[in-house]
Amino acid sequence: EAQVTQNPRYLITVTGKKLTVTCSQNMNHEYMSWYRQDPGLGLRQIYYSMNVEVTDKGDVPEGYKVSRKEKRNFPLILESPSPNQTSLYFCASSITGGLWGYTFGSGTRLTVV
Amino acid sequence: QKEVEQDPGPLSVPEGAIVSLNCTYSNSAFQYFMWYRQYSRKGPELLMYTYSSGNKEDGRFTAQVDKSSKYISLFIRDSQPSDSATYLCAIPDSGGYQKVTFGTGTKLQVIP
Repeated sequence: EAQVTQNPRYLITVTGKKLTVTCSQNMNHEYMSWYRQDPGLGLRQIYYSMNVEVTDKGDVPEGYKVSRKEKRNFPLILESPSPNQTSLYFCASSITGGLWGYTFGSGTRLTVV
Repeated sequence: QKEVEQDPGPLSVPEGAIVSLNCTYSNSAFQYFMWYRQYSRKGPELLMYTYSSGNKEDGRFTAQVDKSSKYISLFIRDSQPSDSATYLCAIPDSGGYQKVTFGTGTKLQVIP
């Protein structure tokens, strides 16, 4: 089944403790992206990647890092999480860019206390 | 001004009603327009997309673009309880289409 898999689904952590949210797709998509979704603010793009070793900032990249060492994986790293990063995070992939429509993962609900 | 604005709702309609969901946008260079549907506790899924102005129909769903007014709409005919979800408009940027701006979403409830 074609899908984007995120882990974990739920995560509660403490301020300052580094964490990684994993994302993997099995569709051989070149393009991957991370979004966060907050009430009243909608989906906001954090980072995106057009191919292996090619990444760029979205609208809200502060406090996040990404890497794309393999085509299928695009982990999101929070080196020092803060409470304002409490949110619902989605990974998405596409054949190439947003024009073809994204396939989204099921989301990771992160709480930073 | 936000690039894409969407009425958050919630919108509650009886089963069988015609539903109209709308977004406005500010950048006249936008050419592609998409609608995603998001069920509770799930990621968004692509519902429809249109290019430039005009209508596109897919079953009970019709997407409409009015570029002169910078206004996009999604109509749902004969709405069903299974249509209850949040609907998000989405617009890829006019450059390399790498960035997509989403509306905040309209929550729809169809009451049996």
